[in-house]
Parts: sequence; C-alpha cells; structure tokens
Amino acid sequence: RKEVEQDPGPFNVPEGATVAFNCTYSNSASQSFFWYRQDCRKEPKLLMSVYSSGNEDGRFTAQLNRASQYISLLIRDSKLSDSATYLCVVIAYTGGFKTIFGAGTRLFVKA
Amino acid sequence: DAGVIQSPRHEVTEMGQEVTLRCKPISGHDYLFWYRQTMMRGLELLIYFNNNVPIDDSGMPEDRFSAKMPNASFSTLKIQPSEPRDSAVYFCASSLAPGLNSPLHFGNGTRLTVT
Repeated sequence: RKEVEQDPGPFNVPEGATVAFNCTYSNSASQSFFWYRQDCRKEPKLLMSVYSSGNEDGRFTAQLNRASQYISLLIRDSKLSDSATYLCVVIAYTGGFKTIFGAGTRLFVKA
Repeated sequence: DAGVIQSPRHEVTEMGQEVTLRCKPISGHDYLFWYRQTMMRGLELLIYFNNNVPIDDSGMPEDRFSAKMPNASFSTLKIQPSEPRDSAVYFCASSLAPGLNSPLHFGNGTRLTVT
C-alpha cells in the first residue's frame, strides 16, 4: 500500500463546475499537509497548506480529517486555467522527517 | 528572490556517460532535496541534505548515483555510468525547515534523456 494515495483521474469537468479531490495517508505520524499543483512539463508549485481547522483561499478549500487520515481539496467555479495535476503532500516526523508526494490527480477543465 | 536554480534544463547523453546535475537552493534554506519524476513512478525522493549533510539517501537507486553538497549554495547529483532507465525529470527543491510554514520550493528541473 502506498503511503499517500490519490485517485489518478482524470477528472473532466466543464467550466464553472465544482470538483473535489481526496487523498489518504497511512502514516499516523504525519504532521504537515499540502496541496501542490503541477502543470505539464513544469515543476510542482505550492497551492496551499492544509490546516487542521480547514482553510480556504479564494475558490480553493482544503480540509484535513486526522481520524480518517484523509485530506481533501475542493475547487469551486473551475476555470480553464485550473487544468493541471494536483499533488497531495504529507510530511511525517519519525525520528527525522519524511516528505511524501502522492502520484497526483489530473484535472481537465473544458469550455 | 531567484528561487531554486537548476542546470542544465535539458541533458541528452549516451548510455555509459557521466551526467552531472546542478542545483542552487534558495538562500537561507537549510534543507535541499533531490527528486526524480517519471510517468510510471511519479515523484521519488532520492536524497536530502540538512545544513549540507546528507540525512537520508535511502531513495538513491544504486551506487551509480551520488550526491554532494559542498556548501550551502550548491549541490550536485551525479550519475555514472548513465543508463536509459535513468531518463526522467530530476528536480531539486529547498526548504527552511519542512513544515506548514516552510513548504518545499522546486527548481525548474533537468530533463534527462539517456540513449
């Protein structure tokens, strides 16, 4: 079982749709969580950190459920420019830290 | 801030040749990471340094791979001899101290093709 699992997609949605991605992690020592965005042939870029209480940044909302060990990302009113791969990232502290990336979920937003 | 700088952007080489990838982290960042990305395996951590010291190299595929960080502003990843299966995008990333307040910042990557 992978330490961080994501549905690879692709998710194909029309402009204006709301789309949600989930990510599960297996290491209970995980402490920090992020969503990164990666465009084709580019480097991953931080989209947002995920706080325990949940957080919102414009059209993007991230949630963390520690009991069930999953993280979610909600995108409202999707834009064509949201088309990308979204990577779930978990940092676990186990006598040193470990940064683990999920394989990513591909999103295509169509006009 | 110039961000993480990697060179070269692209590298095409023949099997058996030595390849050296270079990285300059963001100034002041104490952690430096080397990742490899392929379609099949996604992003894999190869090695990371803290204050120029290698901390975890368990992701380094085999003895053909080596990484150094001679000072706080420079790191290299070397493959010798290279093989076609090493073809991938290699990313360098840096961080102040991994956590909510200091995520990883990636360079543009080096796209390596070994023929």
